[in-house]
Amino acid sequence: DVKVTQSSRYLVKRTGEKVFLECVQDMDHENMFWYRQDPGLGLRLIYFSYDVKMKEKGDIPEGYSVSREKKERFSLILESASTNQTSMYLCASSFSVEIIPQYFGPGTRLLVL
Amino acid sequence: QQQVKQSPQSLIVQKGGISIINCAYENTAFDYFPWYQQFPGKGPALLIAIRPDVSEKKEGRFTISFNKSAKQFSLHIMDSQPGDSATYFCAARRYSTLTFGKGTMLLVSP
Repeated sequence: DVKVTQSSRYLVKRTGEKVFLECVQDMDHENMFWYRQDPGLGLRLIYFSYDVKMKEKGDIPEGYSVSREKKERFSLILESASTNQTSMYLCASSFSVEIIPQYFGPGTRLLVL
Repeated sequence: QQQVKQSPQSLIVQKGGISIINCAYENTAFDYFPWYQQFPGKGPALLIAIRPDVSEKKEGRFTISFNKSAKQFSLHIMDSQPGDSATYFCAARRYSTLTFGKGTMLLVSP
């Protein structure tokens, strides 16, 4: 069974804190993605990675960074959390040569106070 | 130019009926058009996708129809079942970036 897991389902952080969101996939997929999902705005790509240590900016990378030290793990880092980063964060992976997400994790709902 | 407009926002279909969700785009540089299905409490999953040089693609009860000249594409769910109740997202790709529609919440009544 395909699995993309995210470290937390719910997270509450304070403004200015450094936040780490972890994602692990067990399908040996080359590509991994971080999206945020907001009502009325849909899904927006933050960063993606097509190989270990490789990363590309998506549509809204500002305020975020990523790390991919191992093939199965892709981390999203909020350097200094702000209230406008309150959102649902979704990790995804794919083996697709089309470099689009195939499977998403269940999401982490982050609240920044 | 990066927008993908999806309609309707919500849809109720009787069991056995046909569900139709429409998407329109402006940017002719989009080169791949996937659809995603998301159940409550779960992340989306890729359902079916089409390239713009093909007018129709069918996988089981799910069909994408693509009209390149009108810059529109649609998802048809034949013989809709209660288990198809979910939110559906269309998307369009340019380079490695997907632009998503805002989603359609489908409810199939028994």
